[in-house]
Amino acid sequence: EVQVVESGGGLVQPGGSLRLSCSASGFSVSIKYMSWVRQAPGRGLEWVSLIYSGGRTYYADSVKGRFTISRHTSKNTLYLQLNSLRPEDTAVYYCARVHDYGCAFDLWGQGTVVTVSS
Amino acid sequence: EIVMTQSPDTLSVYPGERATLSCRASQSVSNNLAWYQQKPGQAPRLLIYGASTRATGIPARFSGSGSGTEFTLTISSLQSEDFAVYYCQQYDDWPPITFGQGTRLEIK
Repeated sequence: EVQVVESGGGLVQPGGSLRLSCSASGFSVSIKYMSWVRQAPGRGLEWVSLIYSGGRTYYADSVKGRFTISRHTSKNTLYLQLNSLRPEDTAVYYCARVHDYGCAFDLWGQGTVVTVSS
Repeated sequence: EIVMTQSPDTLSVYPGERATLSCRASQSVSNNLAWYQQKPGQAPRLLIYGASTRATGIPARFSGSGSGTEFTLTISSLQSEDFAVYYCQQYDDWPPITFGQGTRLEIK
């Protein structure tokens, strides 16, 4: 079955760190563009980061310098390292695969919840 | 940054009727526009990409149109499972990739 499954969310204090994982099956994360999208409670969708198959990375301004996207080819897993977390980073974080024709997102995980609070 | 604006914020429609949702871009995005459906507690689902191409497995009652700055998602005959929140997204000029604020489609 083609799917992605996120993990690694949790409760963290402001200034803390987390690493989110996205385990893929049915396809290889190394030959697809992959992305992270988040959704704050009761709010809309916000794009966070994207990694090209060649490894080039992109970030939203709101997370640049604090978040890092990466992947592990042999584990077929995408990661998002979250550092210097702020309360406004509280959200459901979705892993999403980028469609072959343009940067629409054709496969989503169920999401992992990150709560930043003291 | 390209700002995407959806209208209306909430749309009330009877089952079986047609629903028309709008999305406007602050500058041209050509046809690099996608639509998503999101139900409570679920991840978004891709409906339309390239402004008018249905994604795999999407019923024919969903159709997308438009180009440049004005786009429309039409649901021809609403089924009970279609009541959800719908988002548009541009991927023409990025980063950042940007989404509209969403339209909530509710049962009248």
